[in-house]
Amino acid sequence: KAGVTQTPRYLIKTRGQQVTLSCSPISGHRSVSWYQQTPGQGLQFLFEYFSETQRNKGNFPGRFSGRQFSNSRSEMNVSTLELGDSALYLCATHEGRGRKNYGYTFGSGTRLTVV
Amino acid sequence: GQSLEQPSEVTAVEGAIVQINCTYQTSGFYGLSWYQQHDGGAPTFLSYNALDGLEETGRFSSFLSRSDSYGYLLLQELQMKDSASYFCARLNNAGNMLTFGGGTRLMVKP
Repeated sequence: KAGVTQTPRYLIKTRGQQVTLSCSPISGHRSVSWYQQTPGQGLQFLFEYFSETQRNKGNFPGRFSGRQFSNSRSEMNVSTLELGDSALYLCATHEGRGRKNYGYTFGSGTRLTVV
Repeated sequence: GQSLEQPSEVTAVEGAIVQINCTYQTSGFYGLSWYQQHDGGAPTFLSYNALDGLEETGRFSSFLSRSDSYGYLLLQELQMKDSASYFCARLNNAGNMLTFGGGTRLMVKP
Protein backbone atom coordinates (compact mmCIF):
# COMPACT_ATOMS: atom_id res chain seq x y z
CA LYS A 1 0.00 0.00 0.00
CA ALA A 2 1.09 3.59 -0.59
CA GLY A 3 2.99 5.31 2.20
CA VAL A 4 2.45 8.68 3.78
CA THR A 5 2.68 11.39 1.12
CA GLN A 6 3.78 14.89 1.95
CA THR A 7 3.79 17.77 -0.48
CA PRO A 8 5.71 19.76 -1.40
CA ARG A 9 9.11 18.18 -0.62
CA TYR A 10 10.96 21.47 -0.60
CA LEU A 11 9.80 25.02 -0.12
CA ILE A 12 11.52 28.39 0.11
CA LYS A 13 9.55 31.28 1.55
CA THR A 14 10.27 34.83 2.63
CA ARG A 15 9.82 36.13 6.16
CA GLY A 16 6.29 37.29 6.77
CA GLN A 17 4.71 34.99 4.19
CA GLN A 18 2.48 32.07 5.00
CA VAL A 19 2.77 28.46 3.92
CA THR A 20 0.49 25.43 3.69
CA LEU A 21 1.83 21.89 3.83
CA SER A 22 -0.13 18.80 2.93
CA CYS A 23 -0.13 15.22 4.19
CA SER A 24 -2.00 12.24 2.77
CA PRO A 25 -2.01 9.31 5.22
CA ILE A 26 -1.89 5.63 4.50
CA SER A 27 -5.33 4.36 3.60
CA GLY A 28 -7.15 3.49 6.82
CA HIS A 29 -4.98 5.66 9.02
CA ARG A 30 -7.25 8.17 10.70
CA SER A 31 -4.75 9.73 13.10
CA VAL A 32 -2.45 12.34 11.58
CA SER A 33 0.26 14.09 13.58
CA TRP A 34 2.71 16.81 12.63
CA TYR A 35 6.25 17.21 13.93
CA GLN A 36 8.92 19.83 13.43
CA GLN A 37 12.54 18.70 13.21
CA THR A 38 15.45 21.10 13.61
CA PRO A 39 19.12 20.50 14.48
CA GLY A 40 18.78 22.56 17.64
CA GLN A 41 15.43 21.42 19.05
CA GLY A 42 15.16 17.93 17.56
CA LEU A 43 11.77 16.41 16.88
CA GLN A 44 8.91 18.38 18.43
CA PHE A 45 5.20 17.62 18.39
CA LEU A 46 2.98 20.20 16.72
CA PHE A 47 -0.53 18.69 16.77
CA GLU A 48 -2.57 15.57 16.17
CA TYR A 49 -5.87 15.13 14.37
CA PHE A 50 -8.32 12.26 14.41
CA SER A 51 -11.64 12.24 12.55
CA GLU A 52 -11.26 15.92 11.70
CA THR A 53 -10.77 16.91 15.36
CA GLN A 54 -7.60 18.24 16.91
CA ARG A 55 -7.00 16.01 19.92
CA ASN A 56 -3.68 17.39 21.08
CA LYS A 57 -1.49 20.41 20.48
CA GLY A 58 2.19 21.02 21.23
CA ASN A 59 3.83 24.11 22.59
CA PHE A 60 3.94 26.21 19.44
CA PRO A 61 2.60 29.71 18.84
CA GLY A 62 -0.79 30.29 17.29
CA ARG A 63 0.86 30.98 13.92
CA PHE A 64 0.96 27.22 13.55
CA SER A 65 -2.39 25.69 12.73
CA GLY A 66 -3.77 22.65 11.04
CA ARG A 67 -6.85 20.83 9.94
CA GLN A 68 -7.97 17.43 8.81
CA PHE A 69 -10.46 16.62 6.10
CA SER A 70 -13.10 13.89 5.98
CA ASN A 71 -10.79 11.69 3.88
CA SER A 72 -8.15 11.98 6.68
CA ARG A 73 -5.84 14.14 4.61
CA SER A 74 -4.35 16.92 6.68
CA GLU A 75 -2.85 20.32 6.11
CA MET A 76 -0.79 22.51 8.36
CA ASN A 77 -0.40 26.23 7.95
CA VAL A 78 2.23 28.58 9.25
CA SER A 79 1.48 32.28 9.02
CA THR A 80 3.84 35.25 9.32
CA LEU A 81 6.89 33.07 8.76
CA GLU A 82 10.02 33.68 10.80
CA LEU A 83 13.57 32.58 10.07
CA GLY A 84 13.35 30.16 12.98
CA ASP A 85 10.53 28.29 11.26
CA SER A 86 13.06 26.82 8.84
CA ALA A 87 12.83 23.10 9.52
CA LEU A 88 11.82 19.69 8.27
CA TYR A 89 8.10 19.24 8.86
CA LEU A 90 7.10 15.63 9.24
CA CYS A 91 3.69 14.06 9.11
CA ALA A 92 3.12 10.80 10.98
CA THR A 93 0.05 8.63 10.70
CA HIS A 94 -1.50 5.76 12.62
CA GLU A 95 -4.66 3.70 12.49
CA GLY A 96 -5.75 5.45 15.66
CA ARG A 97 -7.32 2.50 17.39
CA GLY A 98 -5.93 -0.25 19.54
CA ARG A 99 -2.69 0.05 21.38
CA LYS A 100 -0.87 -3.22 20.79
CA ASN A 101 1.55 -1.98 18.19
CA TYR A 102 1.94 1.75 18.34
CA GLY A 103 4.18 2.37 15.39
CA TYR A 104 3.70 5.60 13.53
CA THR A 105 4.46 5.82 9.81
CA PHE A 106 6.24 9.00 8.84
CA GLY A 107 6.21 10.79 5.52
CA SER A 108 9.44 12.00 3.91
CA GLY A 109 8.73 15.50 5.13
CA THR A 110 8.65 19.00 3.73
CA ARG A 111 11.90 20.92 3.99
CA LEU A 112 10.91 24.56 4.59
CA THR A 113 13.52 27.28 4.28
CA VAL A 114 12.59 30.81 5.33
CA VAL A 115 14.83 33.56 3.95
CA GLY B 1 10.47 16.92 33.62
CA GLN B 2 9.37 15.64 30.24
CA SER B 3 12.73 14.98 28.59
CA LEU B 4 14.25 11.73 27.40
CA GLU B 5 18.01 11.44 27.52
CA GLN B 6 20.10 9.49 25.03
CA PRO B 7 23.84 9.46 24.26
CA SER B 8 24.54 11.77 21.34
CA GLU B 9 26.90 9.41 19.50
CA VAL B 10 27.89 5.76 19.54
CA THR B 11 30.49 4.04 17.37
CA ALA B 12 30.73 0.29 16.80
CA VAL B 13 32.23 -2.13 14.30
CA GLU B 14 30.44 -4.25 11.76
CA GLY B 15 29.17 -7.52 13.23
CA ALA B 16 29.20 -6.24 16.80
CA ILE B 17 26.34 -5.61 19.24
CA VAL B 18 25.46 -2.13 20.43
CA GLN B 19 23.05 -0.89 23.09
CA ILE B 20 21.54 2.59 22.98
CA ASN B 21 20.13 3.72 26.30
CA CYS B 22 17.21 6.04 26.96
CA THR B 23 16.38 7.46 30.37
CA TYR B 24 13.34 9.55 31.18
CA GLN B 25 11.87 11.47 34.06
CA THR B 26 8.12 10.96 33.95
CA SER B 27 6.12 7.96 35.10
CA GLY B 28 2.87 8.62 33.31
CA PHE B 29 3.08 7.38 29.76
CA TYR B 30 1.68 4.57 27.66
CA GLY B 31 4.75 3.12 26.01
CA LEU B 32 8.26 3.65 24.68
CA SER B 33 9.08 3.49 20.99
CA TRP B 34 12.25 3.48 18.91
CA TYR B 35 12.72 5.03 15.50
CA GLN B 36 15.58 4.97 13.00
CA GLN B 37 16.36 7.90 10.74
CA HIS B 38 18.96 7.93 7.99
CA ASP B 39 20.38 11.27 6.89
CA GLY B 40 17.83 13.00 4.69
CA GLY B 41 15.22 10.33 5.37
CA ALA B 42 12.06 9.93 7.39
CA PRO B 43 11.98 8.31 10.83
CA THR B 44 11.11 4.63 10.56
CA PHE B 45 9.42 2.71 13.36
CA LEU B 46 11.56 -0.06 14.85
CA SER B 47 10.03 -1.25 18.10
CA TYR B 48 7.53 -0.48 20.84
CA ASN B 49 7.32 -1.49 24.52
CA ALA B 50 4.03 -1.07 26.31
CA LEU B 51 5.05 -3.37 29.15
CA ASP B 52 8.30 -3.95 31.01
CA GLY B 53 10.58 -6.47 29.41
CA LEU B 54 12.18 -7.29 26.12
CA GLU B 55 10.62 -7.07 22.66
CA GLU B 56 12.54 -8.75 19.86
CA THR B 57 12.18 -7.94 16.18
CA GLY B 58 14.86 -9.63 14.11
CA ARG B 59 18.26 -8.06 14.78
CA PHE B 60 16.67 -5.33 16.89
CA SER B 61 15.40 -5.69 20.45
CA SER B 62 14.02 -3.10 22.81
CA PHE B 63 13.74 -3.19 26.56
CA LEU B 64 11.73 -1.16 29.07
CA SER B 65 11.91 -0.93 32.85
CA ARG B 66 9.40 1.54 34.25
CA SER B 67 10.68 1.10 37.79
CA ASP B 68 14.14 2.21 36.63
CA SER B 69 12.80 4.89 34.21
CA TYR B 70 14.98 3.32 31.57
CA GLY B 71 14.85 1.66 28.22
CA TYR B 72 17.30 0.56 25.58
CA LEU B 73 17.55 -0.50 21.97
CA LEU B 74 19.84 -3.42 21.22
CA LEU B 75 21.18 -3.87 17.71
CA GLN B 76 22.88 -7.17 16.92
CA GLU B 77 25.07 -8.26 14.00
CA LEU B 78 25.65 -4.65 13.04
CA GLN B 79 25.73 -3.82 9.36
CA MET B 80 27.04 -0.71 7.63
CA LYS B 81 23.47 0.21 6.69
CA ASP B 82 22.64 0.50 10.40
CA SER B 83 24.59 3.78 10.48
CA ALA B 84 21.82 6.25 11.25
CA SER B 85 20.25 8.24 14.07
CA TYR B 86 18.11 6.39 16.59
CA PHE B 87 15.41 8.06 18.64
CA CYS B 88 13.52 6.86 21.67
CA ALA B 89 10.05 8.34 21.97
CA ARG B 90 7.53 8.24 24.78
CA LEU B 91 3.86 7.81 23.86
CA ASN B 92 1.51 9.76 26.11
CA ASN B 93 -1.35 8.10 27.96
CA ALA B 94 -3.89 9.35 25.42
CA GLY B 95 -1.89 7.63 22.69
CA ASN B 96 -1.79 10.70 20.46
CA MET B 97 1.58 12.31 21.04
CA LEU B 98 5.20 11.21 20.88
CA THR B 99 7.88 13.01 22.87
CA PHE B 100 11.28 12.29 21.36
CA GLY B 101 14.72 12.03 22.86
CA GLY B 102 17.52 14.00 21.26
CA GLY B 103 18.65 11.04 19.18
CA THR B 104 21.79 8.91 19.09
CA ARG B 105 23.96 8.95 16.01
CA LEU B 106 25.31 5.45 15.41
CA MET B 107 28.38 5.03 13.24
CA VAL B 108 29.20 1.52 12.12
CA LYS B 109 32.78 1.04 10.99
CA PRO B 110 34.17 -1.84 8.91
